[in-house]
Order: sequence, then C-alpha cells, then structure tokens
Amino acid sequence: SYVLTQPPSVSVAPGQTARITCGGNNIGSKSVHWYQQKPGQAPVLVVYDDSDRPSGIPERFSGSNSGNTATLTISRVEAGDEADYYCQVWDSSSDRLVFGGGTKLTVL
Amino acid sequence: QVQLQESGPGLVKPSQTLSLTCTVSGGSISSGDYYWSWIRQPPGKGLEWIGYIYYSGSTYYNPSLKSRVTISVDTSKNQFSLKLSSVTAADTAVYYCARVSREFLELVYWGQGTLVTVSS
Repeated sequence: SYVLTQPPSVSVAPGQTARITCGGNNIGSKSVHWYQQKPGQAPVLVVYDDSDRPSGIPERFSGSNSGNTATLTISRVEAGDEADYYCQVWDSSSDRLVFGGGTKLTVL
Repeated sequence: QVQLQESGPGLVKPSQTLSLTCTVSGGSISSGDYYWSWIRQPPGKGLEWIGYIYYSGSTYYNPSLKSRVTISVDTSKNQFSLKLSSVTAADTAVYYCARVSREFLELVYWGQGTLVTVSS
C-alpha cells in the first residue's frame, strides 16, 4: 500500500519559515492536500491540490510537490500556527485515501 | 455554510457493533460533486481513513477495515452512517465525518468529531 512519510516534529522561531515535508513514491504525480489540526479540534484544510489555498487560509501557507517529496511552507510563522499537520493523497492503485503520519510544529 | 454533525453512542462493548450517523446541513448530500467520508483518530495518534460513500450508494472502503465496515446513506434525511462490527479496544478513537471533493479528493468540511470508547 502507498505510504506517506512525514517528520514527527519541526521547530521554528516566530517570524521564520517552517517547511514540513511529505515523502512518497512518485508523489509528484499525485494531488497532495495538507491539514492543520490543533488540540481537541477537527482538522482544517490549509492547502489542496499541491498548492491551492481554500478561502480564508492566509497566504503565508503554501505548498509544492515534485518527484518524491511534497512540502508545506509556512512563512512568517506565528504562535497560532503551532499544531499537527497532515498530508493526504488518493492512491488510485489501491483505491485508498492515505494520510501521512503527521508532523507536530512547535513555535519556539 | 456546510456543517456536519456526528451522533451515536460514546461507549461500545467489545465484539459489538459501533454505529454512528452524520447529519449534513447547509447543503444536499445528493450533490453529485462530493463523496461523504468517515475518518478516525485514536487518542494521541494520526488520522485513518475508514471509507466514503456517494449519494447513489456506491462505496470505497479502507482495505484494512473493509471486512468490518458498512457505510450507508439516507438522502431523505441528508444523513450517512457508519457501522463497524466486532470492535476491540483498538477501535477506540475520535470518529469524524467529512465531505470529500470528487475533483481532488480533499476533505474541506469536517464534523467536530465524536469519541467512541470500546470497553466492557
């Protein structure tokens, strides 16, 4: 089955740029989506189809996808961005929706 | 604004069947542009997709749960439901329902989630 690999944790100082990666075999050929989840809350979609933002999501959130790695980039990180982040794809070879294991973003 | 709300028992005994319903408001479940999905999250762990259903009744299930899962839809009530049979403690989780875009298969709208504990 298709596996998405994320680093367990990423730390960044306020105002800096955070990059969270999502690795998968030829993930560049798939549409990747990213979710932010704060404690006790449902996930919120922050990037879809590799690099598009839903309405209401700040421009500080952006995404890219190429080769075997997709990346969520959060610019000018704020304390309120501290959360778990998950990547997600649809694997057509197994007809399965797949999530990465999640990355905890800590704002120092 | 589309809203989804999970409902059902918060405690299920081992070997029994977990049953949850998701009520959709602010939009029709019969819209051809979306699938309707269940996702779960064990305490302190990541997200796991359970499956989804189209308004016509066609379904996709996670192969790892397929033998125990049934998702159904009631368009007259604008609801869809989850049944998970033969539950064990490993099925203890927060269960979310969500709307899935058919175009890119992303989950834009989520319910608030409901904790289901499997215990005797």
